[in-house]
Amino acid sequence: EIVLTQSPGTLSLSPGERATLSCRASQSVSSSYLAWYQQKPGQAPRLLIYGASSRATGIPDRFSGSGSGTDFTLTISRLEPEDFAVYYCQQYGSSPTFGQGTKVEIK
Amino acid sequence: EVQLVESGGVVVQPGGSLRLSCAASGFTFDDYAMHWVRQAPGKGLEWVSLISWDGGSTYYADSVKGRFTISRDNSKNSLYLQMNSLRAEDTALYYCAKDKSGYGTGAFDIWGQGTLVPVAS
Repeated sequence: EIVLTQSPGTLSLSPGERATLSCRASQSVSSSYLAWYQQKPGQAPRLLIYGASSRATGIPDRFSGSGSGTDFTLTISRLEPEDFAVYYCQQYGSSPTFGQGTKVEIK
Repeated sequence: EVQLVESGGVVVQPGGSLRLSCAASGFTFDDYAMHWVRQAPGKGLEWVSLISWDGGSTYYADSVKGRFTISRDNSKNSLYLQMNSLRAEDTALYYCAKDKSGYGTGAFDIWGQGTLVPVAS
């Protein structure tokens, strides 16, 4: 099983600031089968990024993904009020697994 | 509108059984693999099971293998999860999710709102 470790656990930032979230895999993620999801309280997760760097339909371009192998990053260039949420990375190349999540909270 | 709607979650005693359903609409259901994902209260996401577009391939997390069975009825645009020998640690909100591919090699691009399964005596 591929274990995904996200850091930091919590990120305290102000609207307009840049957010950088990290996801590290215990072994290489094949073909960049790495996705990022956003989850707000009381809501289902929403796909943001797949294939490590491709934005899902309707996702604003302030969200970007990068990385390969075992190290991946989600960047939110300028935080909007609606971006404060929990973010999960996921590998789906083999038996899917999720990271434990990073909470982006208002500072 | 593309939509997934789960149902079937009720309080169940340890050792009991339950069948969850997920009704799909707004897309060609039998083109895509489907998943069940769960989230214990206040916790993160845990993948549970996958079924390919035609039902020919199924996969399970080790935590549910031998107890849960995933199935689908493409004529009814529906996905199911039969849950047996339930344990307290199975208590969670259960989501169904659509895969971007037919064989389960894609990200999960559509999610339902979930159905809550409390396992308690």
